[in-house]
Formats: sequence, C-alpha cells, structure tokens
Amino acid sequence: QVQLVESGGGLVKPGGSLRLSCAASGYTFSDYYMSWIRQAPGKGLEWVSYISSSGSSTYYEDSVKGRFTISRDNAKNSLYLQMNSLRAEDTAVYYCARDSDSSSCGYWGQGTLVTVSS
Amino acid sequence: DVVMTQSPLSLPVTLGQPASISCRSSQSLVYSDGNTYLHWFHQRAGQSPRRLIYKVSNRDSGVPDRFSGSGSGTDFTLKISRVEAEDVGIYYCMQGTHWPPYTFGQGTKVEIK
Repeated sequence: QVQLVESGGGLVKPGGSLRLSCAASGYTFSDYYMSWIRQAPGKGLEWVSYISSSGSSTYYEDSVKGRFTISRDNAKNSLYLQMNSLRAEDTAVYYCARDSDSSSCGYWGQGTLVTVSS
Repeated sequence: DVVMTQSPLSLPVTLGQPASISCRSSQSLVYSDGNTYLHWFHQRAGQSPRRLIYKVSNRDSGVPDRFSGSGSGTDFTLKISRVEAEDVGIYYCMQGTHWPPYTFGQGTKVEIK
C-alpha cells in the first residue's frame, strides 16, 4: 500500500536552514506529482509547494518563494523540501502528499514538525 | 488566489443524525477540461488529513457511503447521513482548479453534542 514517511524536522533558529525528506513506497514514485502542505499549531492547512512527476516543473506558495526549494530523486523514491532563511511563521507540521485519481493530495504522510525559534 | 469559505466553523451534532458543511469559492471551480477540482478532507485530532471526496462527489477508497459530496460552480456541500463517533474532527474543503496555489477552507470542527 502507499506509504509516505516524512523526516528531517526539528528546532532551528530564525534565519537557519532545514531539509525535509519524504520517503515513498508501495507505488511507482516517478508516476505521480507530489506536494508539501503545512499546518501551523492549532491552525488550518496551507499548501506550500508542488513538483511534477519528472521534477521538471515546480510551484510555490508566495511566502516561501525564493526561500524553499522542492526537489525529488525518482531513483531513491524520495521527495525533498530545502528550507532556507526560516522564519517563526514557518513553524508548522509539514506533510508530503501524493496525487491520486487525477486529483491532488490523495495520500498523506504522518508529518514532521518544524519549529523556528531562538 | 481563490478564497474558500466554509460554514459553519463549528458543528455540534447528535449521534445518528445528519450533518452538512458548506464550502463556497470566490470564483467558479470548473476547469477547462470540464472537471471541478473541489475536494474534502477529514482530520482527526493528532492525525494527518485524509481525503474523503474528490472532484465534488467521488468517494475515496474505504470512505463510508454515509459521506456524500455535491455542488457545482462556487457552491459545494459535504453531507454525513448519520453521524458516528469516529466522524468527529475537522473537515476541510480544497480547490485544485485555479493553481498555484491550491487553497483550503478554514475548516469546520465537528463534535458530538
């Protein structure tokens, strides 16, 4: 079955960097678009970034453009989110999600918590 | 960006009774391919979201048939025919028609009276 497992979260100071990973299994990773979605503590869901199946196309929410980079390694069945110049408002649980049935976010990982604080 | 507005934001329900959540978008969600990319998610406390309904009215695998989605254009509804205890949590609508970005509603918290 489809499994998505995020890792790489933790405590980082403002201005710092972090790289999140999402390990996919149970399906052909290279066939599907992938997203990162985040949820600040006690808040709703916010889409962050999206990457095509080949990795050739990427999209970002405005507040992370120029700071975050989404990428994937189809040989390793892995999705990444490089986060630079982190701010307190980036504090959130970050989920990776896979499309299904020609629609977004059909499968989700368990999330990884990123805390940006001095 | 498309703004998604849910109502109510809090919904106390009685077990076995029906429940309904509304989601309105700031512009039509009909895409050029004829599909409407409006989806519904459920999130229990401490868990990841789970998609329940995709493209307005299609139930995801394993979703009980007491859940149904309907609507068109800018006005959509998620209905639970008979609420069960496991249905508590927060429900979100999301549009995938006008992206980037995908946008979510604020969420509707369903709790048992």
